[in-house]
Amino acid sequence: GAGVSQSPRYKVAKRGQDVALRCDPISGHVSLFWYQQALGQGPEFLTYFQNEAQLDKSGLPSDRFFAERPEGSVSTLKIQRTQQEDSAVYLCAGQGKHDYEQYFGPGTRLTVT
Amino acid sequence: AQSVTQPDIHITVSEGASLELRCNYSYGATPYLFWYVQSPGQGLQLLLKYFSGDTLVQGIKGFEAEFKRSQSSFNLRKPSVHWSDAAEYFCAVGAGGANNLFFGTGTRLTVIP
Repeated sequence: GAGVSQSPRYKVAKRGQDVALRCDPISGHVSLFWYQQALGQGPEFLTYFQNEAQLDKSGLPSDRFFAERPEGSVSTLKIQRTQQEDSAVYLCAGQGKHDYEQYFGPGTRLTVT
Repeated sequence: AQSVTQPDIHITVSEGASLELRCNYSYGATPYLFWYVQSPGQGLQLLLKYFSGDTLVQGIKGFEAEFKRSQSSFNLRKPSVHWSDAAEYFCAVGAGGANNLFFGTGTRLTVIP
């Protein structure tokens, strides 16, 4: 596709459930970032991949959060035992090898009830 | 530590009026600066970016921004606002390369007829 896609666009989870959020970046984008955007806030960095290698996960808020990109393209952000404070929009962004611009997907809005 | 401050949470302007959105950053090295726009339910769209060179940068949709190192600012301007400009605007700073971005909390723009 021409842009970054994310699925699902909306997810409602009961507290304690596990969720998996998918990001499909632009073909050829080596770098992939995940951000969390709480209501009324700017996006905050979660984790970063270069190809399949997770080079920075310093922004993950707890060990309930896990991300992977096994083949260096599609990435999945998994949240185990969701809590209400996990409710947010999760944004994925890709970046080309010689590019300084990050291309964002539409995000997944997660609501934990 | 890197940080971005957007002092105005909400700005209302009349259609056709000029606009300036403020952004101040804190960064220890030469910053890479960005302005993104986010419409409801949409991802972030890049308006413009500054890496080096001319401190006045032109972007899409008639927006421009000026980098002022002495003031640690990167304010966004538009001479004549259109109703379709109503959205949330985010300023961001990064280290360049494949590095994550630090975002401000955003400024919500309302345009009145």
